[in-house]
Amino acid sequence: DTAVSQTPKYLVTQMGNDKSIKCEQNLGHDTMYWYKQDSKKFLKIMFSYNNKELIINETVPNRFSPKSPDKAHLNLHINSLELGDSAVYFCASSQRMNEQYFGPGTRLTVT
Amino acid sequence: DQQVKQNSPSLSVQEGRISILNCDYTNSMFDYFLWYKKYPAEGPTFLISISSIKDKNEDGRFTVFLNKSAKHLSLHIVPSQPGDSAVYFCAAIQGGSEKLVFGKGTKLTVNP
Repeated sequence: DTAVSQTPKYLVTQMGNDKSIKCEQNLGHDTMYWYKQDSKKFLKIMFSYNNKELIINETVPNRFSPKSPDKAHLNLHINSLELGDSAVYFCASSQRMNEQYFGPGTRLTVT
Repeated sequence: DQQVKQNSPSLSVQEGRISILNCDYTNSMFDYFLWYKKYPAEGPTFLISISSIKDKNEDGRFTVFLNKSAKHLSLHIVPSQPGDSAVYFCAAIQGGSEKLVFGKGTKLTVNP
């Protein structure tokens, strides 16, 4: 009964490919997020959705497109993968203004 | 532009002693602060938080102190246990925003 789950946990792919990462939360939270943790270990927010509506969209290349089919799911699709996209991607959820609960992360390696 | 800074990348303490992790911030609009703990290959887990209207919040072995004038907060763990060994992230949020801003983390090692 994992609260926030992500699939896959590891993803190795070649430059130029398109890939998706899925996220699901069973906490009944209204808000979901995608974070990127780069090689320097900084955790930076990429996107946030509240009840399927985009509310935060940081300066992220438009190759990254989040999709929220319902408020329990927030998927991340990445087109034309580049070497610099290699990172750990974390999904999170929260009720507004409360602490965020994170998934286990997806380690993406682009070769 | 790092708005949340954790200047110590690592900290090593003996079991039973106090661990003090520090965090500085630059944005005076931040009004809520959180500490997260992260084990390898897992996502960060929420530990403790503090509102800017308080200067201290305690939860068991964990206490967070906030000094608004110095734009500084600290996490005290006492007594430290080997299971506390992890990376600790400080994070801050501005009122009305959903955006958590994280520090770079401090790796705590508690030696038996």
